[in-house]
Amino acid sequence: DSGVTQTPKHLITATGQRVTLRCSPRSGDLSVYWYQQSLDQGLQFLIQYYNGEERAKGNILERFSAQQFPDLHSELNLSSLELGDSALYFCASSSRTSGRNEQFFGPGTRLTVL
Amino acid sequence: QQQVKQSPQSLIVQKGGISIINCAYENTAFDYFPWYQQFPGKGPALLIAIRPDVSEKKEGRFTISFNKSAKQFSLHIMDSQPGDSATYFCAASRLPGNQFYFGTGTSLTVIP
Repeated sequence: DSGVTQTPKHLITATGQRVTLRCSPRSGDLSVYWYQQSLDQGLQFLIQYYNGEERAKGNILERFSAQQFPDLHSELNLSSLELGDSALYFCASSSRTSGRNEQFFGPGTRLTVL
Repeated sequence: QQQVKQSPQSLIVQKGGISIINCAYENTAFDYFPWYQQFPGKGPALLIAIRPDVSEKKEGRFTISFNKSAKQFSLHIMDSQPGDSATYFCAASRLPGNQFYFGTGTSLTVIP
């Protein structure tokens, strides 16, 4: 158990809908990362937050957005969903203050868009 | 553009054999190279990592070999066991606390 929690575990929705994925980082970790894992693309970095502020952006679509709240949990919002958005979405956290760069991954949310 | 290239895509090894997975990168600014192991239905978990100031790091049956001049690094699993059957991802990043660029993964199957 990495200490990172993600909810829900599974999500099934229809095209055009909007969903919110939630992540709680390990206790004390200030950085949260979101990744998308699909069969043909592997693990793709979406976005990083550090202590509530956006730190880096990767291959995140404009239909997707995220935020990190004062209690450090993060949410990834996916809107106008398309079939191709079906994937596993992982959240990871790390402790920058430790001087190390380990990222601890949650169990993921499997999104299915029908 | 794939910043980290990983091969092979899949690998089948006999129990007790050596599994070798290779990765190559282009960005010389990368200074942290982890390997992650992922079992079906689970998130990736850190297996072992290396900084470019050393050429090899060993933890139990797992060894990373790092060739800075060639911009390549590899994972060696000695005495491979069926329990090692999983997908392995290499990654690279710039310290501290920056995003990881992952390879495309290698599905390892260890046959009893």
